[in-house]
Amino acid sequence: DIQMTQSPFSLSASVGDSVTITCRASQNIDSYVNWYQQKPGKAPKVLINGASSLQAGVPSRFSGSGSGTDFTLTISSLQPEDFATYHCQQSYITPHTFGGGTTVEIK
Amino acid sequence: QVQLQESGPGLVKPSQTLSLTCTVSGGSISNGGQYWSWIRQHSGKSLEWIGYAYYSGNTYSNPSLKSRVTISVDTSKNQFSLSLSSVTAADTAVYYCARHMVLTSLFDSWGQGTLVTVSS
Repeated sequence: DIQMTQSPFSLSASVGDSVTITCRASQNIDSYVNWYQQKPGKAPKVLINGASSLQAGVPSRFSGSGSGTDFTLTISSLQPEDFATYHCQQSYITPHTFGGGTTVEIK
Repeated sequence: QVQLQESGPGLVKPSQTLSLTCTVSGGSISNGGQYWSWIRQHSGKSLEWIGYAYYSGNTYSNPSLKSRVTISVDTSKNQFSLSLSSVTAADTAVYYCARHMVLTSLFDSWGQGTLVTVSS
């Protein structure tokens, strides 16, 4: 299985800050990474697919980059509604695997 | 916009079989290019892909669970189902059904999730 190692486990930030979450794959997965946002008690929601393609309706302050084994999700100018847990997921090969999640908390 | 809704018992006894159904609305389960998936989330944060099925009946499961998992599709009811046998406390989790799009290789639509507790 491809392991997705996500960091940090959690972070505290203030409204207006820029934050970066990283995800490292245990082998080359080209650009087959998706990012999801999950709020407490809710299902994950797609933000980005193919490492960098923003889903329709997702604010442009979210961006993704990377290829191969190293990927990042950046949120520029955090808004109150962005405090949530973020997951990366590889779609290169089954079994589909997810990172451990990163919780973005209010400082 | 397709919508998914999980249903099934919230409490299952150890060694028994967990059974859940996902009802799809707003789209046909028989449309090509989509797999009908089950994903679970333990009380920590991490998500675990259980498996998925195509409307034709082809299924793919996580090898870590494969021997215990059955996923089936009922096109007449626009539903798909999960059976997980011989459950233990380690199977306690929130179970989500989701649509996986072949073209984008993305889980793009999710049910709200249902908590299943394994306990005697």
